[in-house]
Amino acid sequence: QKEVEQDPGPLSVPEGAIVSLNCTYSNSAFQYFMWYRQYSRKGPELLMYTYSSGNKEDGRFTAQVDKSSKYISLFIRDSQPSDSATYLCAMRRNYGQNFVFGPGTRLSVLP
Amino acid sequence: SQTIHQWPATLVQPVGSPLSLECTVEGTSNPNLYWYRQAAGRGLQLLFYSVGIGQISSEVPQNLSASRPQDRQFILSSKKLLLSDSGFYLCAWSGGRSYGYTFGSGTRLTVV
Repeated sequence: QKEVEQDPGPLSVPEGAIVSLNCTYSNSAFQYFMWYRQYSRKGPELLMYTYSSGNKEDGRFTAQVDKSSKYISLFIRDSQPSDSATYLCAMRRNYGQNFVFGPGTRLSVLP
Repeated sequence: SQTIHQWPATLVQPVGSPLSLECTVEGTSNPNLYWYRQAAGRGLQLLFYSVGIGQISSEVPQNLSASRPQDRQFILSSKKLLLSDSGFYLCAWSGGRSYGYTFGSGTRLTVV
């Protein structure tokens, strides 16, 4: 079993839809969780950062962590064609340790 | 503000040729530096990381090596490239008040 898993997609949705992107993980010691967005042929850029369980909202994006289920989600409201990218989750046990990345989910938002 | 520079953007090299990819960071001191390789559908594979000048940790045994000759410079090298070295190489840094990693724009390496 891989340490961090993501549905690779591709996921295609119409513009304006609510998108749910998910990661599951096996290491219950993970405490720091991140979501990155990567456009084609570019480096990943940090979208959201959360610590431990709970929700965090930033504009159209909401990150959710459920440590009891070892499951994290990224919700995108009112999705736009500019949201079309690959979304990577990442997590680590302690501050200062290296992050473990999921393989990424490719999202296409169709106009 | 902090910026990270990585070059070249694309590179086509013959099998058996040497490789040198360079990454520099500006606007911060004593960053942690990372080299990742990304293969299609396989996510990010950590190759090397460094917490200081001359300090290199290797995550996977392979045909590559890394060096950190200066505080904000990280170099990925190979003496003889293999076909399997093809991929998208990303440099990243962390430290200071940053929560996660900041990535460079990447180098797409094709070994032919």
